[in-house]
Amino acid sequence: EVQLVESGGGLVQPGGSLRLSCAASGFTFKRFWMHWVRQAPGKGLEWVSRLNEDGSTTNYADSVKGRFTISRDNAENTLYLQMNSLRVEDTAMYYCTRDLGGSQAFWGQGTLVTVSS
Amino acid sequence: DIVMTQSPLSLSVTPGEPASISCRSSQSPLHSNGNYFFDWYLQKPGQSPQLLIYWGSIRASGVPDRFSGSGSGTDFTLKISRVEAEDLGVYYCMQALQTPYTFGQGTKLEIK
Repeated sequence: EVQLVESGGGLVQPGGSLRLSCAASGFTFKRFWMHWVRQAPGKGLEWVSRLNEDGSTTNYADSVKGRFTISRDNAENTLYLQMNSLRVEDTAMYYCTRDLGGSQAFWGQGTLVTVSS
Repeated sequence: DIVMTQSPLSLSVTPGEPASISCRSSQSPLHSNGNYFFDWYLQKPGQSPQLLIYWGSIRASGVPDRFSGSGSGTDFTLKISRVEAEDLGVYYCMQALQTPYTFGQGTKLEIK
């Protein structure tokens, strides 16, 4: 069974940092592009970042460029999102997704990040 | 960025009746390989989004055949031939041709 389990969310003050993790299982993790997508409370979906199979190619939304860093550990089947200089508007549920845009797209259940003083 | 515009933003449907949702992209999501990099998702209440249709018209594994996707160029449609109670939720279109991937605003389907 394919599983993506996010963790690391929580309450942080503006300007703070968090590191999200996504543990993958049930599939060959190293063969897929991986993405982060977020959803502010009561709002729609916003793509955040993506990373290719070996971690050599990354892309970011303008809203997070220079503040967020996506990475992966294929030996540990884990995807990460390092979030620095957090802003109130970064408050959202963060979803780890596999193969977004492809035939095997799959989403985790998400981890909630709240940025507030 | 490619802008995705859905309509309607909400609809209320009686079980057994059909439903249709449209999505227009500001640029065609047609890839050089001939596939449209265009997907439909359903987010049921309290859940993460699930893939319904990829490449514009191909049903994802396990998706009932009452769901169908069509379209070309910049105009795409999701049709549900006979709505069931379990179909309630918010439907999103998405383009994956170029980053940033972009989503429509969402269409909330309610069951009468």
